[in-house]
Amino acid sequence: GQSLEQPSEVTAVEGAIVQINCTYQTSGFYGLSWYQQHDGGAPTFLSYNALDGLEETGRFSSFLSRSDSYGYLLLQELQMKDSASYFCAVNTGGFKTIFGAGTRLFVKA
Amino acid sequence: GAVVSQHPSWVICKSGTSVKIECRSLDFQATTMFWYRQFPKQSLMLMATSNEGSKATYEQGVEKDKFLINHASLTLSTLTVTSAHPEDSSFYICSGQEGTQYFGPGTRLLVL
Repeated sequence: GQSLEQPSEVTAVEGAIVQINCTYQTSGFYGLSWYQQHDGGAPTFLSYNALDGLEETGRFSSFLSRSDSYGYLLLQELQMKDSASYFCAVNTGGFKTIFGAGTRLFVKA
Repeated sequence: GAVVSQHPSWVICKSGTSVKIECRSLDFQATTMFWYRQFPKQSLMLMATSNEGSKATYEQGVEKDKFLINHASLTLSTLTVTSAHPEDSSFYICSGQEGTQYFGPGTRLLVL
């Protein structure tokens, strides 16, 4: 079967750095995406890695190691508004994307 | 990024009625759109892939006669939930693909 594993919950304090890991097992792999979803809202795109390495976009960075079937999302200088669910997703080809179960991030003051 | 809209944003209906949800790509043409369903505190589950000018491709376990999908133009896909029941109450989200997937704001359906 196809699966993506990520922690269900993470708690951190304002100003800290948090890393959300994602391991995947899929029949095809064209890239790993990260999405943020606030309660009641739709997912918004954060980042995409097709090749190994680190992609940086402001306070958020995403890393991919295809040989390890592993990636992570790094959030720096955490703010209260970063409290949300974060989903990793794999593009398995043919326009198909599979989502992880999501990680709920709680940022405390 | 690309913009996808959905209408309505929420709907309440009686059991047995049908509900139509529209998904539009506002600034790009989407040959392919996707329909997801999300239950509270759960992940997005792909229901079907909507292809412009042809039949939708449904995921295993999704009833194609219950969830009718029409993709009549490059900017519009519709999902009709026929004979809705309370268990169909969920958050329905569409997305369009331009490089990566861009999601609509979602439609919250409550069937009484």
